[in-house]
Amino acid sequence: AQSVTQPDIHITVSEGASLELRCNYSYGATPYLFWYVQSPGQGLQLLLKYFSGDTLVQGIKGFEAEFKRSQSSFNLRKPSVHWSDAAEYFCAVATYSGGGADGLTFGKGTHLIIQP
Amino acid sequence: AAGVIQSPRHLIKEKRETATLKCYPIPRHDTVYWYQQGPGQDPQFLISFYEKMQSDKGSIPDRFSAQQFSDYHSELNMSSLELGDSALYFCASSSEGNEQFFGPGTRLTVL
Repeated sequence: AQSVTQPDIHITVSEGASLELRCNYSYGATPYLFWYVQSPGQGLQLLLKYFSGDTLVQGIKGFEAEFKRSQSSFNLRKPSVHWSDAAEYFCAVATYSGGGADGLTFGKGTHLIIQP
Repeated sequence: AAGVIQSPRHLIKEKRETATLKCYPIPRHDTVYWYQQGPGQDPQFLISFYEKMQSDKGSIPDRFSAQQFSDYHSELNMSSLELGDSALYFCASSSEGNEQFFGPGTRLTVL
């Protein structure tokens, strides 16, 4: 079974500084990887996804992530954070069987705090 | 653009009561997923349907059941509610196995 590890429960970053959120996965084949963001009490918004091809993927809101097969990682980055980026960030992995995608397996999330 | 619609947005029930949550996927999406997110927890996958057939099953309790109808909307039925069922319940939809788009969630409180 697949699993996702987000080693950092909380991260505090100053506004304008760069950001990297870590994600490691465990899965026997090439996974389908996602980053979602969630504000308190809100739904999950897809930031970006990796299915195949270029290992550096661009997402919305200036985020990017890099898939590294050798390290089983899919870290999320942003060069300069804004106060509005404060939220919970979830890394997730999906597998695909016949007839559509299987359910996502999420990491425990990283709570991002932005300091003024 | 149309999004996933969930109803109701908030629901309060007593222990041992039943609840029905509804999900209307994005038009032309063929797959619906249900997730449960407890306070401070990550979302846990419950069950999914592809073209009205159950396609994957996660940690859904036996007290819960779900189905997808001919118009692709889905309902999650929850019986004998327990205090521990209090959570945010998300529905997501996708097309042809692509990325899942999440609805705003239904907050269920069991008293």
